[in-house]
Amino acid sequence: EADIYQTPRYLVIGTGKKITLECSQTMGHDKMYWYQQDPGMELHLIHYSYGVNSTEKGDLSSESTVSRIRTEHFPLTLESARPSHTSQYLCASSESASLTYEQYFGPGTRLTVT
Amino acid sequence: GEDVEQSLFLSVREGDSSVINCTYTDSSSTYLYWYKQEPGAGLQLLTYIFSNMDMKQDQRLTVLLNKKDKHLSLRIADTQTGDSAIYFCAESIEGYQFYFGTGTSLTVIP
Repeated sequence: EADIYQTPRYLVIGTGKKITLECSQTMGHDKMYWYQQDPGMELHLIHYSYGVNSTEKGDLSSESTVSRIRTEHFPLTLESARPSHTSQYLCASSESASLTYEQYFGPGTRLTVT
Repeated sequence: GEDVEQSLFLSVREGDSSVINCTYTDSSSTYLYWYKQEPGAGLQLLTYIFSNMDMKQDQRLTVLLNKKDKHLSLRIADTQTGDSAIYFCAESIEGYQFYFGTGTSLTVIP
């Protein structure tokens, strides 16, 4: 059982608000990821981190930002939410030393911007 | 990024076998994976196969890998209503790059 948590699970917020989506893992994994999932199912990588103080942008351009000050914590921030940010956000982690490289996922945050 | 393709939808009757297919483009894949996503939840790893294997069986799940055709499949025997979910295949290139398929929505008809 993977121990990766996301809060909140659901968020409805007005346009222009600043929001932070939290992601924490207790497995000591060095790599962490944020994905945005369309209603049509496809996953898009928006940010990733290979360790503390390392953050990179993913394949899909995003107005969000991330930080990695502690190994276990990888929050995602939107400075000014817009309706186009409405989506499901999934956080994942993996361990470089793993022989099989699999990613473990949190339960997701469903964000709605009105 | 890599193109990992899956058909979008599959419907089967309860008790039948389901076969979900996936094609990928990078022949240097190290591992290939199948994940399951239930409504409102994250992705759960079901099984994986190392790229030098042809087949892996795990209870009701059978994974077949055809490296020549870059084709991966997941067979679920005796499909149950609890198997209704979205299934994603994924490939890893030495752990540095990870690509997910487009997802297949499986509906099991009672």
